[in-house]
Amino acid sequence: AQSVTQLGSHVSVSEGALVLLRCNYSSSVPPYLFWYVQYPNQGLQLLLKYTSAATLVKGINGFEAEFKKSETSFHLTKPSAHMSDAAEYFCAVSGRGGTASKLTFGTGTRLQVTL
Amino acid sequence: EAQVTQNPRYLITVTGKKLTVTCSQNMNHEYMSWYRQDPGLGLRQIYYSMNVEVTDKGDVPEGYKVSRKEKRNFPLILESPSPNQTSLYFCATAGGSTDTQYFGPGTRLTVL
Repeated sequence: AQSVTQLGSHVSVSEGALVLLRCNYSSSVPPYLFWYVQYPNQGLQLLLKYTSAATLVKGINGFEAEFKKSETSFHLTKPSAHMSDAAEYFCAVSGRGGTASKLTFGTGTRLQVTL
Repeated sequence: EAQVTQNPRYLITVTGKKLTVTCSQNMNHEYMSWYRQDPGLGLRQIYYSMNVEVTDKGDVPEGYKVSRKEKRNFPLILESPSPNQTSLYFCATAGGSTDTQYFGPGTRLTVL
């Protein structure tokens, strides 16, 4: 069984400020973890993924996330927000199966970036 | 170019009128899946397929059917749509060992 909890359905930051989007997971097997971004009226785009290599994962557009097993967390950060970062962000978990397996999503966090 | 395509992108229909949403991928991926996205609920899996002729239920399969006769196609069938199936639908594919799923552009369905 696996689940994802994203704390905060809406997060607002000023342009240039730190972005922190929280994700906690539950998994009965070692997980793969993902962050996806959805821009308005578009599909989901993979930002980054953790698949058991380095615990600090760098993704596209300056985002990164750190896998912390002791805290069962995979929070997404970006040092300096840009207006173009406004979107909805989804954290997801799957179990390691060697082949594609069930992907469970969080309920999403909408990021607003203000001037 | 690696692509997942869905058709139609937008559809308005009436209760009970059978419809099919198509999904096609050119990445030779074995795994394909359908999700629906609803406000406040995130994405929930409807059905998935591990390979040709192999399909299984996800979390919310009621009212939906799928088929996987060819590797590249995975249509979603609503035999008798109802208003509670109004949603944004995504097809996804995955291949290799890291479970990365690639999503189509979405189909916005409204059932009146």
